[in-house]
Amino acid sequence: QVQLVESGGGVVQPGRSLRLSCAGSGFIFSSYTMHWVRQAPGKGLENVGGLSSGGDIQYPAGLAKGRFTLSRDNSNNTLYLQMNSLRADDSAVYFCAREGTGAFDIWGQGTVVTVSS
Amino acid sequence: QAGLTQPPSVSKGLRQTAVLTCTGDSNNVGGQGAAWLQQHQGHPPKLLSYRSNNRPSGISERFSASRSGNTASLTITGLQPEDETDYYCSAWDSRLGAWVFGGGTKLTVL
Repeated sequence: QVQLVESGGGVVQPGRSLRLSCAGSGFIFSSYTMHWVRQAPGKGLENVGGLSSGGDIQYPAGLAKGRFTLSRDNSNNTLYLQMNSLRADDSAVYFCAREGTGAFDIWGQGTVVTVSS
Repeated sequence: QAGLTQPPSVSKGLRQTAVLTCTGDSNNVGGQGAAWLQQHQGHPPKLLSYRSNNRPSGISERFSASRSGNTASLTITGLQPEDETDYYCSAWDSRLGAWVFGGGTKLTVL
């Protein structure tokens, strides 16, 4: 069964950091570009960023210059999202998604991040 | 980050046909086409179609997608109560080097 399971969400104070994890199973994890997509309460979907199958290319290209960084451990079938200097408007459900042919074809259930003092 | 344009809401009657639209430009929808996602409250999105007119296995034939120029469309025939939910389009934007989403359309089945 193809599956993605996110973890690491929670309540964090503004300015602090948090690392999310996404464990994949049922497919060859190392063959796919993987993404994080977030959804603020009552809002639409927003692509946070993606990482190539080998972990050498981030999408968009400028992502690493910001507060968020993606990484992956293909030996453990896991994608990570390191979030620094968190703000209230980063509060959202964070989904992990697999990039298939022309679309995000597999989604996890999501993990909730709440940034609040 | 530029996104795709979807109407916020569409309403149609039970067993009727709804057409949802998604407008972008030549860098995204007009390039490799769009994908459509369905999302019920409290659940992750579910892929309905990709590359404008391909349907994953297990998706009902009542859902079909198409593209004309820079606008993608999702047609849902024989509307059922369970079709009442949110629909999003997405596309790869070659200028931004990133995936972009539409703001979503809430479909109401009357």
